[in-house]
Amino acid sequence: DIQMTQSPSSLSASVGDRVTITCRASQSIASYLNWYQQKPGKAPKVMIYAASSLQSGVPSRFSGSGSGTDFTLTISSLKPEDFATYFCEQSDSTPHTFGQGTKLEIK
Amino acid sequence: EVQLVESGGGLIQPGGSLRLSCAASGFIVSTNFMSWVRQAPGKGLEWVSVIYSGGSTYYADSVKGRFTISRDNSKNSLYLQMNSLRLEDTAFYFCARAYSYHSPLEDWGQGALVTVSS
Repeated sequence: DIQMTQSPSSLSASVGDRVTITCRASQSIASYLNWYQQKPGKAPKVMIYAASSLQSGVPSRFSGSGSGTDFTLTISSLKPEDFATYFCEQSDSTPHTFGQGTKLEIK
Repeated sequence: EVQLVESGGGLIQPGGSLRLSCAASGFIVSTNFMSWVRQAPGKGLEWVSVIYSGGSTYYADSVKGRFTISRDNSKNSLYLQMNSLRLEDTAFYFCARAYSYHSPLEDWGQGALVTVSS
């Protein structure tokens, strides 16, 4: 199985900050990397798919990059509603595996 | 509007069985890739099982031989039969839809809590 390693596991930031979360795959997954946002008590919501494509309805302050084994999710200017937990997921091969998550907290 | 609604969760003793259901609306289950993903309270996401549009099924090693994924086209629903439940199966179970093999999980249910405890 492909292992996904996210960093950091938690992050404190302020409204307006630019933040970056990274995800590393244990082997190449081309661009089959998705990012999800999850708020407490809610199901995850896809934000970025295929490494860099913005899901419909997601604000443009979210962006993704990378290919192969190294990927990043960037939020250019944090808004209060962005504080949540973010997960990466590889959809290159079954089983589709998730990173352990990054909890983004308000500083 | 796409909607996924899970049901069937609850408290069960170790070794017991439970069947989760996921009723879909707004799309056809049999033409999509339908997955179960679970999340232990306060923990990360764990992929559990998938059924492809062609009918092939796959399972995480942690549930292989104990869980069975299926669908009922006439009811447009997805199921997860869980047998020989263990304490570590305690989690919220989400059903989710992807359009194709490499697609993200675009639509999710609200989750059903399964608690395995004596």
